[in-house]
Amino acid sequence: DTAVSQTPKYLVTQMGNDKSIKCEQNLGHDTMYWYKQDSKKFLKIMFSYNNKELIINETVPNRFSPKSPDKAHLNLHINSLELGDSAVYFCATRQGSSYNEQFFGPGTRLTVL
Amino acid sequence: GQQLNQSPQSMFIQEGEDVSMNCTSSSIFNTWLWYKQDPGEGPVLLIALYKAGELTSNGRLTAQFGITRKDSFLNISASIPSDVGIYFCAGQNPYNFGNEKLTFGTGTRLTIIP
Repeated sequence: DTAVSQTPKYLVTQMGNDKSIKCEQNLGHDTMYWYKQDSKKFLKIMFSYNNKELIINETVPNRFSPKSPDKAHLNLHINSLELGDSAVYFCATRQGSSYNEQFFGPGTRLTVL
Repeated sequence: GQQLNQSPQSMFIQEGEDVSMNCTSSSIFNTWLWYKQDPGEGPVLLIALYKAGELTSNGRLTAQFGITRKDSFLNISASIPSDVGIYFCAGQNPYNFGNEKLTFGTGTRLTIIP
């Protein structure tokens, strides 16, 4: 079983569309994250949720809205997609308490045309 | 956002050579992590460090948590073709309790020359 999974793997869409990326984890971890990796491979945190509660929101445009229906899922919805949103988006999880290791999903490559 | 200074930015080596890379920060961290990313995949955790001065190995990989808590290095001995990829360091600020997040380095791209 994959510990952290994301769907879809690839997403190609037109500017102005609304799209969602899904993340699921079977590790039982408390905290989940969304990261954006740009073309230069810089990894930047976007959001984190702990037990369905938003903890971190790193000055991300409000076109991006994370949703956590339960502890095992953290989805990312993006409205009115722009060319600059093209990137690879990674979901990650962290066990919590004193364990700081984060475990990443395989990524979703978003291309906005 | 903040990023850690990671060097070198890229390395071109021959199979069998040893590799060394490091990360430095202006802030102290209570955790240093090292990740490897293969093309088209997510970063995979290699080594986690929790104490200043700690030296930890994982097979041919060895990483150290700097005494000042502001730096860390990763060594790879006797490199093999599957070591190719991008290596990232990541640190966690000790003052963000309840708001834990990692700051990532800029990455070191390792290429093995035939």
